[in-house]
Amino acid sequence: EAQVTQNPRYLITVTGKKLTVTCSQNMNHEYMSWYRQDPGLGLRQIYYSMNVEVTDKGDVPEGYKVSRKEKRNFPLILESPSPNQTSLYFCASSLSRSQETQYFGPGTRLLVL
Amino acid sequence: AQSVTQLDSHVSVSEGTPVLLRCNYSSSYSPSLFWYVQHPNKGLQLLLKYTSAATLVKGINGFEAEFKKSETSFHLTKPSAHMSDAAEYFCVVSDRGKLVFGAGTILRVKS
Repeated sequence: EAQVTQNPRYLITVTGKKLTVTCSQNMNHEYMSWYRQDPGLGLRQIYYSMNVEVTDKGDVPEGYKVSRKEKRNFPLILESPSPNQTSLYFCASSLSRSQETQYFGPGTRLLVL
Repeated sequence: AQSVTQLDSHVSVSEGTPVLLRCNYSSSYSPSLFWYVQHPNKGLQLLLKYTSAATLVKGINGFEAEFKKSETSFHLTKPSAHMSDAAEYFCVVSDRGKLVFGAGTILRVKS
């Protein structure tokens, strides 16, 4: 089944404790991105990747890192989480950036205390 | 830069009555527009997509949207609401491949 998976689905952590949220897709998509969803703000893009080893900042990249060592995986790293990063995070992928229909993962709900 | 405004943060309808979720966009060129739906505790699902082929776009679950360039609108409609339509709906414009989301409209369906 074609899908985007994220792990973990739920995470509670404390300020400053490094964490990684994994994202994997099995559709051989080149383009992957991370969004955060906050009430009243819709989804905002954090980082995106056009292909392996090619990443770039989205609209709200501060406090986040990403890497794209393999085509299928695009982990989101929070080196020193802060409470303002409490949010719902979505990973998405598409065949290419110009193929605009993106497929979304189920989301990761993060609470930073 | 492209932007999207969803005119209602909450819409409440009775089951069996029509649904109208309003969306206005701004774009410096011919946009691609989408509606996504998010059911509680679920990911986002594509409802429909406009890419200049036809101004009236039909989507899944009986939803459709009409692109009106003169009004810069892309409103989502459904003739008869079902309880399972209760969800949050996002209007989205594509900015050179990057999706720009509206703030969302929560649809409540009363029995």
